Amino acid sequence: EAGVVQSPRYKIIEKKQPVAFWCNPISGHNTLYWYLQNLGQGPELLIRYENEEAVDDSQLPKDRFSAERLKGVDSTLKIQPAELGDSAVYLCASSPDGTGAYEQYFGPGTRLTVT
Amino acid sequence: GDSVTQMEGPVTLSEEAFLTINCTYTATGYPSLFWYVQYPGEGLQLLLKATKADDKGSNKGFEATYRKETTSFHLEKGSVQVSDSAVYFCALISSGSARQLTFGSGTQLTVLP
Repeated sequence: EAGVVQSPRYKIIEKKQPVAFWCNPISGHNTLYWYLQNLGQGPELLIRYENEEAVDDSQLPKDRFSAERLKGVDSTLKIQPAELGDSAVYLCASSPDGTGAYEQYFGPGTRLTVT
Repeated sequence: GDSVTQMEGPVTLSEEAFLTINCTYTATGYPSLFWYVQYPGEGLQLLLKATKADDKGSNKGFEATYRKETTSFHLEKGSVQVSDSAVYFCALISSGSARQLTFGSGTQLTVLP
């Protein structure tokens, strides 16, 4: 079974430019998460989807970040415009169902560097 | 709010040494507790979990026991290998958080041959 797929793995952009990250969860997983991981820290949740609905986006900086999961499968996270402080690893995770799903499966992440 | 505190790293051990990584937590209700491991260049992998007090999670020689009285979930391994070198994260999901994982800051482990 394929794991969570993310692309690109690495991205270097100049500040004020837009950037997008893509995630394909494990087949059949209805719940999808985007996390931000700063260097030397644990991941922090940005947004959680149940199918195509964003059920928790309270920690997503909506002035510059947006996300979508149009068909309830793969998802895109966008930053526009990027700032220097956005340099981090962006992780995508998925879990099998919408209730009591304690196990989250993580992708390898996208390492963003903003110069 | 929920929080997880891990012992600070980095931790460097010789092969076959005993490993303990301390983890304590603050949470409402009765959280589920996890250890995740992140190998270089890879995503986080679930190592073990415990969902109620006194449960012991175990996997690949690693163990951790859910201690409600001390709000702890320390990770242990009797004999580490070079291949165990990674970053280890303690995490929890509290009963009121609807599947939101709260992570500690991670502990870097390096095992020398």
